[in-house]
Amino acid sequence: NAGVTQTPKFRVLKTGQSMTLLCAQDMNHEYMYWYRQDPGMGLRLIHYSVGEGTTAKGEVPDGYNVSRLKKQNFLLGLESAAPSQTSVYFCASSLWVANTGELFFGEGSRLTVL
Amino acid sequence: GENVEQHPSTLSVQEGDSAVIKCTYSDSASNYFPWYKQELGKGPQLIIDIRSNVGEKKDQRIAVTLNKTAKHFSLHITETQPEDSAVYFCAASRDTGGFKTIFGAGTRLFVKA
Repeated sequence: NAGVTQTPKFRVLKTGQSMTLLCAQDMNHEYMYWYRQDPGMGLRLIHYSVGEGTTAKGEVPDGYNVSRLKKQNFLLGLESAAPSQTSVYFCASSLWVANTGELFFGEGSRLTVL
Repeated sequence: GENVEQHPSTLSVQEGDSAVIKCTYSDSASNYFPWYKQELGKGPQLIIDIRSNVGEKKDQRIAVTLNKTAKHFSLHITETQPEDSAVYFCAASRDTGGFKTIFGAGTRLFVKA
């Protein structure tokens, strides 16, 4: 089983450029999430989705947009990248709302903004 | 706002020794406490979790304890092995509406052979 797959795994952007990170899960999970991981700060939730066609803001949503057009896919977009968005991004999915159930993470996408 | 404090940030132990990681949460409504292990270049993976109606849970060499009164919970790894070397995250969340899981900052565990 592939589980949660993220593409690309690495990307370097210049300030002001745009890009999209793609997350795909094959577990038929309803809930999907985008986190960023920065040294000494753990995992912080950017946006999440409780089902196809729905999205909601997390803890640090500014500068990001998301879309969930298909149940298995969750896209994270950066319209105008800034150096502060240099981070490792993790997508996750869960069968139940993550408050009370396991999160399944992808392997991460390392983004550098110059 | 709510937060989860995790200590220590780095922990080095000799193979075979025990390792303990401690977390404190601020949201008294939290009722679910998972622990995730992140190996180098990988995403976090759930290793054990505990709910607020349980004080202790054990799975082979790993155990988690919860003190709701003090809002503390801890991860205990016994008989550590080199493959236990990783970053460990604690988290706290509640199921009373919305989505709110707060992660600790992580503990990097080194197990020396």
